[in-house]
Amino acid sequence: AQSVAQPEDQVNVAEGNPLTVKCTYSVSGNPYLFWYVQYPNRGLQFLLKYITGDNLVKGSYGFEAEFNKSQTSFHLKKPSALVSDSALYFCAVRVPSNDYKLSFGAGTTVTVRA
Amino acid sequence: KAGVTQTPRYLIKTRGQQVTLSCSPISGHRSVSWYQQTPGQGLQFLFEYFSETQRNKGNFPGRFSGRQFSNSRSEMNVSTLELGDSALYLCASTPGLLTGTLNTEAFFGQGTRLTVV
Repeated sequence: AQSVAQPEDQVNVAEGNPLTVKCTYSVSGNPYLFWYVQYPNRGLQFLLKYITGDNLVKGSYGFEAEFNKSQTSFHLKKPSALVSDSALYFCAVRVPSNDYKLSFGAGTTVTVRA
Repeated sequence: KAGVTQTPRYLIKTRGQQVTLSCSPISGHRSVSWYQQTPGQGLQFLFEYFSETQRNKGNFPGRFSGRQFSNSRSEMNVSTLELGDSALYLCASTPGLLTGTLNTEAFFGQGTRLTVV
């Protein structure tokens, strides 16, 4: 079975400071990893994904994430957070077997204060 | 290219009733997945359809069902509604072929907010 953990329910940072949202996963096999963001009363928007290759992945809106196989982590980062980055962030995993579903973490609420 | 369209956006139903939600995927996408989002359980996978066939199913009771039409549009139905079915129901689409699904991001609709009273 595949699972994803987001150890922090909430992350609070000041605008201009670095932002990190943590994600760890547990799968049997090589994972495909995704980050999504959700604004209030909206669907999920795709930020970035790791499939293979370079462990540092760059995505939308200045976000990036680093895949660490030994630590089974895929943390989301942004060097300088904006107030508009305040939202709910989800990490998700899919294993390239016969399972088409995305397994999501519980989500992390990010608040960026001005 | 139009995105994933879910209708209606909001629904209020009474316990015991049934409800049907609709999802139109991105043009050309043949896979449609459904997720339930609640504050307590987070995002839970309901089922996934490809070419009118259910390929994968989550751990939900039989009251939750779905189908997909030949134009890839999908519906999900919940019968005998319970208060706990109140949630945001999200639909996601992907191209659908094996390699085109597993390493491709899913595109989500804005969801249908179902409230059961």
